[in-house]
Amino acid sequence: NSKVIQTPRYLVKGQGQKAKMRCIPEKGHPVVFWYQQNKNNEFKFLINFQNQEVLQQIDMTEKRFSAECPSNSPCSLEIQSSEAGDSALYLCASSLSGGQDTQYFGPGTRLLVL
Amino acid sequence: AQRVTQVQPTGSSQWGEEVTLDCSYETSEYFYRIFWYRQLFSGEMVFLIYQPSFDTQNQRSGRYSVVFQKSFKSISLVISASQPEDSGTYFCALSEPYQGGRALIFGTGTTVSVSP
Repeated sequence: NSKVIQTPRYLVKGQGQKAKMRCIPEKGHPVVFWYQQNKNNEFKFLINFQNQEVLQQIDMTEKRFSAECPSNSPCSLEIQSSEAGDSALYLCASSLSGGQDTQYFGPGTRLLVL
Repeated sequence: AQRVTQVQPTGSSQWGEEVTLDCSYETSEYFYRIFWYRQLFSGEMVFLIYQPSFDTQNQRSGRYSVVFQKSFKSISLVISASQPEDSGTYFCALSEPYQGGRALIFGTGTTVSVSP
């Protein structure tokens, strides 16, 4: 069973509303990734952190998405103004170190924007 | 550019049969890894096995093994003695070297149904 915890499992928002989801990485894993999986099983990398520092993020993330991984608190991903196209499964993964270490995934937060 | 392709969108099997799932990829890197995950119907992604590019030996883990054809940039996941619990969507993912953690590049998956 996954040791990465994601909450909530389901999230329903209206267009323009904020949507926030959280992730607790596996204990001892300093690297955290966020991915978006759409209904066609296409994955989009959004952002990743090492401890509290952002390593990489895509342009979309810089504009409407915000994310953080504060010390001693869950990581979070927030969509400032949800759009219908944001409806997807948001997956959080953590790994022991950078490079090519195995990423372990949480169960995901399924977002529906009405 | 990196790309991962899984051309079989679906597959089926009977209990006890061997299942083979195919994946091809594009990369210009010499060192890379190919990971296989199974996504449960709940959405959870479960890590199964990975193959490092520098290792010529096909990796095995329990009932999972891979057939790695590096020169063809192709890799297959083999599930021996399949069980109904193996049902789900199987994703192949490419990982290239990058200090700090490179995002995985996923294929679009193969959904497998194993009948009792």
